Amino acid sequence: AQSVTQLGSHVSVSEGALVLLRCNYSSSVPPYLFWYVQYPNQGLQLLLKYTTGATLVKGINGFEAEFKKSETSFHLTKPSAHMSDAAEYFCAVSDHDAGGTSYGKLTFGQGTILTVHP
Amino acid sequence: DSGVTQTPKHLITATGQRVTLRCSPRSGDLSVYWYQQSLDQGLQFLIQYYNGEERAKGNILERFSAQQFPDLHSELNLSSLELGDSALYFCASSVEGETDTQYFGPGTRLTVL
Repeated sequence: AQSVTQLGSHVSVSEGALVLLRCNYSSSVPPYLFWYVQYPNQGLQLLLKYTTGATLVKGINGFEAEFKKSETSFHLTKPSAHMSDAAEYFCAVSDHDAGGTSYGKLTFGQGTILTVHP
Repeated sequence: DSGVTQTPKHLITATGQRVTLRCSPRSGDLSVYWYQQSLDQGLQFLIQYYNGEERAKGNILERFSAQQFPDLHSELNLSSLELGDSALYFCASSVEGETDTQYFGPGTRLTVL
């Protein structure tokens, strides 16, 4: 069975500092990997995803993540934090068939709340 | 705005009652997914429908059921409600062939008193 572990339920950074949110997965085969962001009282918004190809993936709002198969990790980074980045971030995985079609079901980590200090 | 709509936004009810949550997917999306977000369990997949047919099932209780109608909107029915059913319920939709990209609605917050 798949599982996703996000290290650190809370991360606090200063505005302008590097953001690093950690995600490790457990799966029998490399799954598809996602990062979602949830702002207060809103739904989830897809930041970026890795399915195949280049292991460094760029997303919206200046975020990027790198898939490292050997470390079963998919950490999310942003070089310089903005106050508007304060939100909860979820790492998720989904299985796919041999043809590459995702099964759709997302398994989420527990979430990391990012606080940005002025 | 993801294009996925959910009604109602908030629902307050009592234990033992039954409620229906409604979801309208993005125009053209055939797949609908339901997720539950609670403090205890985090975000959990409940069920997926594709063009009216159940496609996948997750940790959905027997007291819960869902369906997708010919116009592709979906309803999640929760019955014999318990305090622990209080949660945010999200609906998501995806395009055929792109099930790896799901668009989430704003959610329905259910409070069971």
